[in-house]
Amino acid sequence: GQQVMQIPQYQHVQEGEDFTTYCNSSTTLSNIQWYKQRPGGHPVFLIQLVKSGEVKKQKRLTFQFGEAKKNSSLHITATQTTDVGTYFCAGPPNSGNTPLVFGKGTRLSVIA
Amino acid sequence: NAGVMQNPRHLVRRRGQEARLRCSPMKGHSHVYWYRQLPEEGLKFMVYLQKENIIDESGMPKERFSAEFPKEGPSILRIQQVVRGDSAAYFCASSANGNQPQHFGDGTRLSIL
Repeated sequence: GQQVMQIPQYQHVQEGEDFTTYCNSSTTLSNIQWYKQRPGGHPVFLIQLVKSGEVKKQKRLTFQFGEAKKNSSLHITATQTTDVGTYFCAGPPNSGNTPLVFGKGTRLSVIA
Repeated sequence: NAGVMQNPRHLVRRRGQEARLRCSPMKGHSHVYWYRQLPEEGLKFMVYLQKENIIDESGMPKERFSAEFPKEGPSILRIQQVVRGDSAAYFCASSANGNQPQHFGDGTRLSIL
């Protein structure tokens, strides 16, 4: 079945450094969604990308969808302690009724 | 608050007992999803339901687990004869349709003694 892989699994950065997490799908995606889960919290939807090569920004966060619609990235500029959490990407499978397949997430730690 | 409501937030059961987890979707949402998450791991899809229908239960164990989303009332995830390995956080999410982003509840932390 479809697989959604994220790297790295963990990332530790100094406050102020940049951070990037990458998401790769084994198949072409119709869209890619990103979620953030704070420690002890629940996943919160951040953004959805639909078009090939699409780039969207939310303040210090930049999201990209690859030209082939099989990969995506999330880049955070000048990390802050409030960025701590696990970032998940998710995409719909090409077959079956399951709406989304989630990656295992990248856990970000920010050292003040 | 019109968000996804899950209860209880924490549930403790002894081995062999039954666990019932409830989820009320966001207002206007008719699609409900259940996920399981072990500590420091990702989200594992369990089941996708619409009102009175199970759309996809490919992630649900064949035995002891069941889910429903009745015409009236919340969605229920039921675990019979719980075992230690059922200890996890169970998240419910809802959406307006199957292609829309999902909104998650706070989860139910299930602990099995």
